[in-house]
Amino acid sequence: SQTIHQWPATLVQPVGSPLSLECTVEGTSNPNLYWYRQAAGRGLQLLFYSVGIGQISSEVPQNLSASRPQDRQFILSSKKLLLSDSGFYLCAWSSNTGTYTGELFFGEGSRLTVL
Amino acid sequence: AQSVTQLDSQVPVFEEAPVELRCNYSSSVSVYLFWYVQYPNQGLQLLLKYLSGSTLVESINGFEAEFNKSQTSFHLRKPSVHISDTAEYFCAVSDGNYGQNFVFGPGTRLSVLP
Repeated sequence: SQTIHQWPATLVQPVGSPLSLECTVEGTSNPNLYWYRQAAGRGLQLLFYSVGIGQISSEVPQNLSASRPQDRQFILSSKKLLLSDSGFYLCAWSSNTGTYTGELFFGEGSRLTVL
Repeated sequence: AQSVTQLDSQVPVFEEAPVELRCNYSSSVSVYLFWYVQYPNQGLQLLLKYLSGSTLVESINGFEAEFNKSQTSFHLRKPSVHISDTAEYFCAVSDGNYGQNFVFGPGTRLSVLP
């Protein structure tokens, strides 16, 4: 069966510090991968998605970046965090082969607090 | 472009009472519709989905949703809620293209009171 792991689960960082959140999917090949952000009291905002290694599409201009160094690994980074980067970050994957099922499978999330 | 509206940001309801969470969407193409549930400090889990066929879909824990194309709605219902149903519920729409065309609504916080 497929699983998705995110880490760290919680992170407290000072303004201006770097960030690295990692996401790994197991049990499937060539998944589509996504990073979402959920700010307090707000819905889900798609930040990045990837359909293959090295292929990243950005939905929102910001000081965050994403990379996909391996087929099932997706990394969210920042060189200098802002207060507004605080939120709950969710990684997700979907299949891109076979009959369309549409479902996104989410990780457990990473809560980032920038102070 | 697609969009999803969830008019109720919060819905308080007493235990064992019925509940309906409303979802309306707009799209110029055929859509696939989803309800996800998020418990505190957790990721989202798929509750149910409509891809094709019967317009009434059901989940294993008693929720159901009906796709109404003429009203562009996909409301979620449960005849009798439990305390454990307290969570955030997100309606979502996709046009079948993976990636950027999966749009979530703003969410509805369901609070079940004893």
